[in-house]
Amino acid sequence: QKEVEQDPGPLSVPEGAIVSLNCTYSNSAFQYFMWYRQYSRKGPELLMYTYSSGNKEDGRFTAQVDKSSKYISLFIRDSQPSDSATYLCAMRGRGYGGSQGNLIFGKGTKLSVKP
Amino acid sequence: DADVTQTPRNRITKTGKRIMLECSQTKGHDRMYWYRQDPGLGLRLIYYSFDVKDINKGEISDGYSVSRQAQAKFSLSLESAIPNQTALYFCATSLSGSTQYFGPGTRLTVL
Repeated sequence: QKEVEQDPGPLSVPEGAIVSLNCTYSNSAFQYFMWYRQYSRKGPELLMYTYSSGNKEDGRFTAQVDKSSKYISLFIRDSQPSDSATYLCAMRGRGYGGSQGNLIFGKGTKLSVKP
Repeated sequence: DADVTQTPRNRITKTGKRIMLECSQTKGHDRMYWYRQDPGLGLRLIYYSFDVKDINKGEISDGYSVSRQAQAKFSLSLESAIPNQTALYFCATSLSGSTQYFGPGTRLTVL
């Protein structure tokens, strides 16, 4: 079993739809969870960052972590064509030494929002 | 100006050639990373460095080498390029292992 699983999609939705993107993981030591957005031919950019369980909201974006289920989600409300990109989840454990500070990435979900 | 820059942005080379990809950052971060990205395989860590004297192999270091010339500069070398090293290469930085910030990427094609 891979440490982080993410459905690659592609996911196509109409403009204005609510989008749900998800990742599951197997390592219970993961404490920090991130979502990156990557436009075509660009580098990943940090979108959301959460620690441990709970929700975090930023504008149209909500990140949710359920550590009991080892499941994280990113919700996009009122999706726009400009949200069309690949979304990567990433996570790591609590430590900073050695390889503990390294991020484990999902493979990314490609999202297309149609006008 | 971008905080993390990579040069070149695009490169086409031939099998057997030596090639160097360079990364510079103005964020003042201590840690730097090199990843490659392939369709269907996601981001894979090649090397990472905690400071100038601390360099570590990642998941897929075979065929690659790195040099941390200064805190702000981290270069990746392919000593003898082969076609399956054709990929998108990203440099990233972080402050003491917190969130990572990525450069714009280098698209490398090995013929």
